[in-house]
Amino acid sequence: EVQLVESGGGLVKPGGSLRLSCAASGFTFSSYSMNWLRQAPGKGLEWVSSMSSSSTYIYYADSVKGRFTISRDNAKNSLYLQMNSLRVEDTAVYYCARSDIGGVFAYWGQGTLVTVSS
Amino acid sequence: DIQMTQSPSSLSASVGDRVAITCRTSPSISSSLNWYQQKPGKAPKLLIYAASSLQSGVPSRFSGSGSGTDFTLTISSLQPEDFATYYCQQSYSAPPWTFGQGTKVEF
Repeated sequence: EVQLVESGGGLVKPGGSLRLSCAASGFTFSSYSMNWLRQAPGKGLEWVSSMSSSSTYIYYADSVKGRFTISRDNAKNSLYLQMNSLRVEDTAVYYCARSDIGGVFAYWGQGTLVTVSS
Repeated sequence: DIQMTQSPSSLSASVGDRVAITCRTSPSISSSLNWYQQKPGKAPKLLIYAASSLQSGVPSRFSGSGSGTDFTLTISSLQPEDFATYYCQQSYSAPPWTFGQGTKVEF
């Protein structure tokens, strides 16, 4: 069974940093592209970042480019999102998701809440 | 970026109703359109990919159609567990991948 479990969310002040993790199990992690998406409270879904299976291809939404860094450790079956210079508008539930086909988010974690507030 | 317009934003329906949700894109995205279902407090779930392919385990009452710029998600006979919010999403070419605004299906 595919499982994705996010962690690392919490309350942080504007300008602060946070590192999210996503632990994967139930599939060959190193074979799949992985993604981060987010959903602000009461709002719709927003794609944040993607990384190919071998880390060759990395993409970011314009809204986070230069502030967020995606990474993965295939030996640890884990995906990460380093978030720096956080803004109030980054407040959201952050989801980790697996792509079976490019840009198709077939499996999602349960999400972790990031709150940016003073 | 590819623009997504989903309609309606909400709809009222009853168990057994046939429900249709539309998604329009600009520009054309061939068949690179996916549909997700999200229940309150839960992660989204993939229902349909590539416009009309049913994801494994998804009931056959869900179907997708369309290509180019106009797409439709149809629920043939609404069940109690189908009351949720539905999102379309394009996966055409390279990122950014974009979502529609969502359609809330309520009683």
